[in-house]
Amino acid sequence: AQKITQTQPGMFVQEKEAVTLDCTYDTSDQSYGLFWYKQPSSGEMIFLIYQGSYDEQNATEGRYSLNFQKARKSANLVISASQLGDSAMYFCAMRDNFNKFYFGSGTKLNVKP
Amino acid sequence: GAGVSQSPSNKVTEKGKDVELRCDPISGHTALYWYRQSLGQGLEFLIYFQGNSAPDKSGLPSDRFSAERTGGSVSTLTIQRTQQEDSAVYLCASSLGNKGQPQHFGDGTRLSIL
Repeated sequence: AQKITQTQPGMFVQEKEAVTLDCTYDTSDQSYGLFWYKQPSSGEMIFLIYQGSYDEQNATEGRYSLNFQKARKSANLVISASQLGDSAMYFCAMRDNFNKFYFGSGTKLNVKP
Repeated sequence: GAGVSQSPSNKVTEKGKDVELRCDPISGHTALYWYRQSLGQGLEFLIYFQGNSAPDKSGLPSDRFSAERTGGSVSTLTIQRTQQEDSAVYLCASSLGNKGQPQHFGDGTRLSIL
């Protein structure tokens, strides 16, 4: 069965520091995709970054990077140089071979000034 | 508009009434998803449409919930005989259906059952 696990319900980080949000997944599919979304308190879901299961290099998008360790089935999100506006819920998601998405329970990140 | 549009943005209704929630996906997106999100919680998958294929209804919590997608575009989620536990934000998302393409979400419908 497909499953996404985010073990950190809440995280604090000092402004300008880097933070890693953990995500592990379970699948028997060979082809899948991993996504991270940000949900601010206003409620909208914002796509941040994508990693394909066959991609050999870790994905990067500006201050976001995805630490993909396929053998460990982990896809951690790294946010560098945290900003106050990064305070939000962060969801890890996996797309399976049938294009169905599975979401983790989320991590609430608080950036302290 | 360019994004996923959901209506209404807020709906308050009495227990036992039926409600219809609408989702207008991004033009050209073949995949459409419905999720439910309770306050402070993650996303609960409800149903998934992909092109002309039969929808994946495996997440619908009871037979009071149904959804259709007409003409491969607009989708309606219907909840019959609403219960208080149905209160949540209902999110719709669409995608191109190709690997690597993310879901694009609407702003959701906040449903409150009195």
